Formats: sequence, structure tokens, C-alpha cells
Amino acid sequence: ELKVEQNPLFLSMQEGKNYTIYCNYSTTSDRLYWYRQDPGKSLESLFVLLSNGAVKQEGRLMASLDTKARLSTLHITAAVHDLSATYFCAVDLETQGGSEKLVFGKGTKLTVNP
Amino acid sequence: NAGVTQTPKFQVLKTGQSMTLQCAQDMNHNSMYWYRQDPGMGLRLIYYSASEGTTDKGEVPNGYNVSRLNKREFSLRLESAAPSQTSVYFCASSDSGLAGVVDEQFFGPGTRLTVL
Repeated sequence: ELKVEQNPLFLSMQEGKNYTIYCNYSTTSDRLYWYRQDPGKSLESLFVLLSNGAVKQEGRLMASLDTKARLSTLHITAAVHDLSATYFCAVDLETQGGSEKLVFGKGTKLTVNP
Repeated sequence: NAGVTQTPKFQVLKTGQSMTLQCAQDMNHNSMYWYRQDPGMGLRLIYYSASEGTTDKGEVPNGYNVSRLNKREFSLRLESAAPSQTSVYFCASSDSGLAGVVDEQFFGPGTRLTVL
């Protein structure tokens, strides 16, 4: 059974600071996704990481994937209030017939304070 | 393009009542999914459909049935609602995974269901 663990589950940080969210998973997979969810809203795709060593950046967020360590990180640089949201990682359990079965972490609720 | 749409947005049911949640996508995606989201639990897959005419169980299928009506629509039915099914339900869709195509899932706005 694939388990996906995110750390921390809650993160309160000051504007301008840097921090990293970690996503560990328990079985082999080479596809990992990061999503953002604002309160009461749907999930918005942030990053798709498809291979070992993949690194993607968008604004103040950078995501990386180490499939050997079964670890992905979401790094926040110089946080701003607009980044306050819940961030989920999701790992592809298996791909069958063109569909993916994603297993989600429990999410990291990020609050950026002025 | 509307993307993924869901109806209704909110619903309150009494224990034992039945209802169907509707989902439609206009992105010509082959695969569609139903998830539930509970506080502190992330999202859990209920059922998915790789293509029109096929459906498969996910992690938490008990108490639910699905129908892939056509390529665009994928419905979720609760035959006899229970308080444990109080949750937010999300529908998603993705491309079919052809070579070079990224299977990113796109999510609908969600349905907030309360079962009393």
C-alpha cells in the first residue's frame, strides 16, 4: 500500500522567509504532482514531476523529485501573503489503461504572516 | 472552455436518502475520477473511469456507485446516504496517457455534501 507523508502539516511563516515542505512516499513511483488549494476552493495544479532529478520553478515556488530517496520537496523563497494556502503532493500509484491512481498526502496548510 | 463542472455545489441529505452527483468535462479527456476530501485526510479516490464504458474502484468505494454515461459525463451515486459520507466531493479528469502526454488531473469546483 502506497503511503504519502507530508511534513509539516501546518506551517506558519513570516513574509520574506524561506521554507521547504517535504513529501515522502513509500513505494516506487516516478510521477509526482503538487497541487494548491485555497480555502473553500478546488485544487489547482502547480507542478508535474515525471522523472528522477526533475526540478520545476514557478515564481517563488520550486519543486524537485528524488525517486531514489522517494522524496519530493516544495521550496518557498521569500514568502508572500498570497502564498497562504494548503499544498498537496500526490503520487501516482499505478497507471492502468491510461488512467492514473493518485494517492494524496494530507496536505500542508501554509500561513504567511506580514 | 468550462473545464470540469459539478452539480450541485451544496446538498443536505437525511440518512437513507439517495442522490446523484453530476460531473462533466469539455476537454475531451478519456479518464475521469471521483474523490472525497475530509478534514486532515487529503483526497481519497472513490472510483475512476479510464474510458467510456469502464469503471474501477479506488481506495474508498463502499457506499457509492458510478456511471460513465459518455465521454463527457461521470456521475456518482449514493444509494443510501450515511453521516459518514458527509464530505466534499471532487470530480477530476485527465488525458489518456498517450506517449508524450502528461496525465495531469484537472479538478472541478466540488460538491459539499452533508448527511444528517
